[in-house]
Amino acid sequence: NAGVIQTPRHKVTGKGQEATLWCEPISGHSAVFWYRQTIVQGLEFLTYFRNQAPIDDSGMPKERFSAQMPNQSHSTLKIQSTQPQDSAVYLCASSSRDNSGNTLYFGEGSRLIVV
Amino acid sequence: AQKVTQTQTSISVMEKTTVTMDCVYETQDSSYFLFWYKQTASGEIVFLIRQDSYKKENATVGHYSLNFQKPKSSIGLIITATQIEDSAVYFCAMRFYGNEKITFGAGTKLTIKP
Repeated sequence: NAGVIQTPRHKVTGKGQEATLWCEPISGHSAVFWYRQTIVQGLEFLTYFRNQAPIDDSGMPKERFSAQMPNQSHSTLKIQSTQPQDSAVYLCASSSRDNSGNTLYFGEGSRLIVV
Repeated sequence: AQKVTQTQTSISVMEKTTVTMDCVYETQDSSYFLFWYKQTASGEIVFLIRQDSYKKENATVGHYSLNFQKPKSSIGLIITATQIEDSAVYFCAMRFYGNEKITFGAGTKLTIKP
């Protein structure tokens, strides 16, 4: 079984440019989560979807960040006008609605570097 | 709001010994889930073990076990017979029963020495 797939694995973008990160959840999983990991802030929750609907975006910076899940096999995180402080590893995770307490299965992450 | 605190930044132990990593959490809810995840040097994050707040028995999976002390809002991870490959960063995490958002602690870096 394929795990969570994230693309690109690495992205270098210039300050002010747009960056789009993609996530393909595990087949059959109905929830997708986005996290950001930095040395300083650790693992920060950004947003999550359940059955493609946005449920909680409390961790998303209100400006420049947006996430979508147009279908059950694909979610995107878009950062407009990227800034150096957006440099981080962006992690996507998926989970199923079962009795597992919604255990998260993480992708390998997308490392974004803003120069 | 939920908050998870791991005060141990790093721990180093000899191979084949037992190690305990601490974690305390804050919650106003009576029903919640507690997790431990491991991040390897390659960056891969994997789920290890989970404790449901309503269960009194400590969870055990392989050589991982938990020390759940609900009155102290504490969930320690115990690894017995440690191996070199257990070297990693270990994250404690929690979520409320009615909310799927999982909050992570800052992590504890574990180094197993041969």
